[in-house]
Amino acid sequence: AQSVTQPDIHITVSEGASLELRCNYSYGATPYLFWYVQSPGQGLQLLLKYFSGDTLVQGIKGFEAEFKRSQSSFNLRKPSVHWSDAAEYFCAVGDNNAGNMLTFGGGTRLMVKP
Amino acid sequence: KAGVTQTPRYLIKTRGQQVTLSCSPISGHRSVSWYQQTPGQGLQFLFEYFSETQRNKGNFPGRFSGRQFSNSRSEMNVSTLELGDSALYLCASSFEGSTAQHFGDGTRLSIL
Repeated sequence: AQSVTQPDIHITVSEGASLELRCNYSYGATPYLFWYVQSPGQGLQLLLKYFSGDTLVQGIKGFEAEFKRSQSSFNLRKPSVHWSDAAEYFCAVGDNNAGNMLTFGGGTRLMVKP
Repeated sequence: KAGVTQTPRYLIKTRGQQVTLSCSPISGHRSVSWYQQTPGQGLQFLFEYFSETQRNKGNFPGRFSGRQFSNSRSEMNVSTLELGDSALYLCASSFEGSTAQHFGDGTRLSIL
């Protein structure tokens, strides 16, 4: 069965600093990988996705993620964090044999210091 | 273009009751999935519907059920509510052949 691990439950960074959120997955084949962001009281917004091809993917709001098969990782990065980036971030893996079923990691709550 | 719409936004029920939640997908999206989000278990997949047929089902008891109508709108029903059913229920929709899902803002269900 597939699984996703986000090792960091909470991360605090200063505004303007760089950010990296970690994600490790377990899946038998090439996975579909996603990063979503959730602000309080709201649903999930898709930041970016990886299906195949170039292992560095660009997303919205200045985020990017790199797929590393050898490390089973799909870490999210942003070069300069803005106060509005404070939210909870979820990594997810999709089973390409099971329709649209997503398995999510536990999430990382990002706090931004002024 | 309107996003995924879930109604109601908030709901309070008591143990033993049943509840029905509604989801209207983005126009043109035929796949609708439901997820439960709780502080303890995180985000868990409930089921997916495509063209009025359940395509996938997560590991939830039979008290949780759903359906999809010909206009792709979906409902989920929870019978004999338990305290542990208190959660944010999220609906997501996508185009056929796309696994990039778009989520609604959810229905917050509280069981007293």
